[in-house]
Amino acid sequence: EAGVAQSPRYKIIEKRQSVAFWCNPISGHATLYWYQQILGQGPKLLIQFQNNGVVDDSQLPKDRFSAERLKGVDSTLKIQPAKLEDSAVYLCASSLVSYEQYFGPGTRLTVT
Amino acid sequence: GQNIDQPTEMTATEGAIVQINCTYQTSGFNGLFWYQQHAGEAPTFLSYNVLDGLEEKGRFSSFLSRSKGYSYLLLKELQMKDSASYLCAVRDLTGGGNKLTFGTGTQLKVEL
Repeated sequence: EAGVAQSPRYKIIEKRQSVAFWCNPISGHATLYWYQQILGQGPKLLIQFQNNGVVDDSQLPKDRFSAERLKGVDSTLKIQPAKLEDSAVYLCASSLVSYEQYFGPGTRLTVT
Repeated sequence: GQNIDQPTEMTATEGAIVQINCTYQTSGFNGLFWYQQHAGEAPTFLSYNVLDGLEEKGRFSSFLSRSKGYSYLLLKELQMKDSASYLCAVRDLTGGGNKLTFGTGTQLKVEL
């Protein structure tokens, strides 16, 4: 079966610019997650969706980050405006409701 | 909150056995995952423990002691391709979520 798809794979922007990432989960997976992984650290959950509803966004910096999953399938994560400390890999994962999570290849963001 | 500790780096010899430890202190616990992450790639699922004891899957085994807040991943017959980061993650199902909190990862280097 097809895995989790993400685009773009790489993005370089200047601070204060905006950027958006896209994720298409595994077909049939109701739950979708966005993680931020800073170099040398483990992934940190930013937001979890169950279908198109938000389950957990407690670690999402809501002043600059937003995410949506309008039709319960694809999702976008946006950063506006970006800061230098947002440089990281942004991983999307999906799962059946409470089972193991499958990760996409990630988007490597560099903010200069 | 969650606090997860694992060694930063380990080195082992091809063909040998290595044990990667993980200790955790958590407010909610519904199982512990181990993921493997090669440089520049997404984490991939290795094992899951929710009850105490040892789970064996080929060359990889994982152990859990909930009373001690302790797990380990055992890799046997090490191969060069096992050089990767190994991430310990605790799952919390509180509030209907399926939240994974990751440790910082253990970078394993396999040498000849």
